[in-house]
Amino acid sequence: AQKVTQAQTEISVVEKEDVTLDCVYETRDTTYYLFWYKQPPSGELVFLIRRNSFDEQNEISGRYSWNFQKSTSSFNFTITASQVVDSAVYFCALSEVLRGNTPLVFGKGTRLSVIA
Amino acid sequence: DSGVTQTPKHLITATGQRVTLRCSPRSGDLSVYWYQQSLDQGLQFLIQYYNGEERAKGNILERFSAQQFPDLHSELNLSSLELGDSALYFCASSLTQVANTGELFFGEGSRLTVL
Repeated sequence: AQKVTQAQTEISVVEKEDVTLDCVYETRDTTYYLFWYKQPPSGELVFLIRRNSFDEQNEISGRYSWNFQKSTSSFNFTITASQVVDSAVYFCALSEVLRGNTPLVFGKGTRLSVIA
Repeated sequence: DSGVTQTPKHLITATGQRVTLRCSPRSGDLSVYWYQQSLDQGLQFLIQYYNGEERAKGNILERFSAQQFPDLHSELNLSSLELGDSALYFCASSLTQVANTGELFFGEGSRLTVL
């Protein structure tokens, strides 16, 4: 069965520090998608990235970067030079492909607090 | 603003009661997903509808039901409510019927408190 583990429940950093949010997943499929979502205090989940299992290239988007490593089943998310506006709960999610239409399975989230 | 609208935003009710949560998907999206977010269970997938038909089912209790109407809005009905049903219920929408082919757009959620 598919499973996503975000071992860090809460992280607190000082503004401008870099922070990495860990995500480890389990799946028996060879084809799957990984996602990161952000849940700011307003409550709405905001899509950040989607990555398929065949694309192990790291991705950078501004201060955000993602490190996908199939060998360790990890899809970690790094925020560089964190800002107070980055404070939110971040969710990693997994969806298998070969088993048909499987919904996104989310980890329990990591609450990030960035202190000014 | 994701374009997904959920009502009501907050709801307080008593055990044993029944409530209906409503979701209007983004314009043009055919799929609607319902998720339950609680402190201990995290985000749990409940059910998906695509163009009016049930497409996938998760750990949805028998006391819960959902439907998607011809205008594509969806309703989640929760009955015989228990204290443990207190949670934030999210609706999400997408264009396709396969969840992982694109982005899910989430509403702001409906916070249900059962007293």
